[in-house]
Amino acid sequence: QVHLVESGGGVVQPGRSLRLSCVASGFTFNSYGMHWVRQAPGKGLEWVAVIRYDGSGEYYADSVKGRFTISRDNSKNTLYLHMNSLRADDTAVYYCARDLFPQVYTNQPSPVHYWGQGTLVTVSS
Amino acid sequence: DIQMTQSPSSLSASVGDRVTITCRASQDISNYLAWYQQKPGKAPKPLIYAASILQSGVPSRFSGSRSGTEFTLTITDLQPEDVASYYCQNYNSAPRTFGQGTKVEMK
Repeated sequence: QVHLVESGGGVVQPGRSLRLSCVASGFTFNSYGMHWVRQAPGKGLEWVAVIRYDGSGEYYADSVKGRFTISRDNSKNTLYLHMNSLRADDTAVYYCARDLFPQVYTNQPSPVHYWGQGTLVTVSS
Repeated sequence: DIQMTQSPSSLSASVGDRVTITCRASQDISNYLAWYQQKPGKAPKPLIYAASILQSGVPSRFSGSRSGTEFTLTITDLQPEDVASYYCQNYNSAPRTFGQGTKVEMK
């Protein structure tokens, strides 16, 4: 079955950088678009970024554009989120998530379906 | 960017009640709307996609509908295990905005 396991969270000072990883298994990783979604403590869900199945395109929420970079290594079945210039309001649980439909076969938009368990990032001095 | 306005932010209902949550998109997103259920400390669980298609394994008391840019999640015969937060999400285009969420509590 599909497994998504995030890692790399922790406590980081404002202005510093952090890289999150998400290792995928149980499916053909290089066929699906992948996302990062975050949730600040006690708050709602916030979509962060998406990357196409082959890494050919990325899109970001305005709140992270220019500071965060989503990438993937299809040879390692791994999704990344590189976070720079971190701020206190980036404190959140970060979820890795997979599209429902394989993007390699269709250009139709796909909902997010499978989620990891999340990794907590705390930005604090 | 497309904004998703979800209401109400919270509601309290009794077992067996019919509950309705609404999500309005700021522009046309066709049927590209999904609903998720989230319980405390857990990842979201997908309920519905394409506005009205139930995900596999989701109880039939959950349903979704669309009227223009207004989308509705309905829970008929509310059960104790339905206590959770519910979110809509536009997946027509990036940014894939979520609604603000609706917390469903039991009276």
